[in-house]
Amino acid sequence: GAVVSQHPSRVICKSGTSVKIECRSLDFQATTMFWYRQFPKKSLMLMATSNEGSKATYEQGVEKDKFLINHASLTLSTLTVTSAHPEDSSFYICSARVGGGGANVLTFGAGSRLTVL
Amino acid sequence: AQKITQTQPGMFVQEKEAVTLDCTYDTSDPSYGLFWYKQPSSGEMIFLIYQGSYDQQNATEGRYSLNFQKARKSANLVISASQLGDSAMYFCAMREAIYNQGGKLIFGQGTELSVKP
Repeated sequence: GAVVSQHPSRVICKSGTSVKIECRSLDFQATTMFWYRQFPKKSLMLMATSNEGSKATYEQGVEKDKFLINHASLTLSTLTVTSAHPEDSSFYICSARVGGGGANVLTFGAGSRLTVL
Repeated sequence: AQKITQTQPGMFVQEKEAVTLDCTYDTSDPSYGLFWYKQPSSGEMIFLIYQGSYDQQNATEGRYSLNFQKARKSANLVISASQLGDSAMYFCAMREAIYNQGGKLIFGQGTELSVKP
């Protein structure tokens, strides 16, 4: 089946540094990927839609300069948390759509847990 | 306005019994899809079942079935013969304009299911 690989699974960084999270579709091409953020025991909040070859579409309230998204190829999207602060600590999950039509399902990466000290 | 509502923050069920997890939604789009995902403590999102707004039959996938009541805008998940491994967070999600390839998935608040031995 379709696999989305996300790396790193866990990262700890110092406040003020930048962290890059990669999301790869391993056996399919993904023109669109989605980035979500999740706080403990809470829902997944959509941050942005990543489009291959064009700018990402950010949800209202998400700082595009803080969360840089690049979708340079059909199999790779990256999320860079710039100048990270403790409040950016969270679980970040990417996803990609597999297949076409109405029933196409989002396949998720395993998530990346970011801790900013 | 909340598009997806899960009113049960937590549920308990005895092993081998059935359990229903509630989900209501709000949309004016005639073409939409409803999804259920399972998230164990590891954090990965596991797709369980899908129901399209035009589907005449309720979706079923093994022990999972979706009780789709379109007029009431509800899409409850029924898990039959609960197993200890079913203990996890369960999220209901909706995608509007399902034939629009860029449509995003919006999640409910989640229900934490605990299966008792």
